Amino acid sequence: AQKVTQAQTEISVVEKEDVTLDCVYETRDTTYYLFWYKQPPSGELVFLIRRNSFDEQNEISGRYSWNFQKSTSSFNFTITASQVVDSAVYFCALRGRGSSNTGKLIFGQGTTLQVKP
Amino acid sequence: DSGVTQTPKHLITATGQRVTLRCSPRSGDLSVYWYQQSLDQGLQFLIQYYNGEERAKGNILERFSAQQFPDLHSELNLSSLELGDSALYFCASSVDPENQPQHFGDGTRLSIL
Repeated sequence: AQKVTQAQTEISVVEKEDVTLDCVYETRDTTYYLFWYKQPPSGELVFLIRRNSFDEQNEISGRYSWNFQKSTSSFNFTITASQVVDSAVYFCALRGRGSSNTGKLIFGQGTTLQVKP
Repeated sequence: DSGVTQTPKHLITATGQRVTLRCSPRSGDLSVYWYQQSLDQGLQFLIQYYNGEERAKGNILERFSAQQFPDLHSELNLSSLELGDSALYFCASSVDPENQPQHFGDGTRLSIL
């Protein structure tokens, strides 16, 4: 079975603090993809990053960085110098390559991040 | 703007009714996905189409059905609606059914009274 766990339900930080959102996944697939999506208060889902299981390099995009560790089945997301506009629900998702679930995204329950001014 | 268009944005109806949600994928995307987001179930995959054919099925109720038309737009039909069907329904699209990320529309918020 495939599963994504985001243990942090809610996180509250003060602007300019760094914050890390945790994501742990379970899959039997040897090839799979991991994703992060952002859902701001307006409700839309915004794609942030995709990482395939063969690429364990960390990635940085501006204030965002992602740490993929296959050994611990984790794909954590760090926001550096958080801003009020970062307030949103963040979802981690998994997609396997097995024929039975091609295309299907398994989402975690989401982490609500509140950045206070 | 993801390029995925969903209509309507809001839908209010009563139990027992039937509704149709519409989705136009991004230009060039052949695969369309439907997801349901509710407070108790979170984000759940419903169904996927690729170039007009059903590709994968998730936790979709028998009262729900979907199709993808030759112009690649998709419709999700929900019938015999129940209070528990109240949710945010998302459509997503991708270029292919496996490798490319899914880009989501703004969703249709369905409220059953």
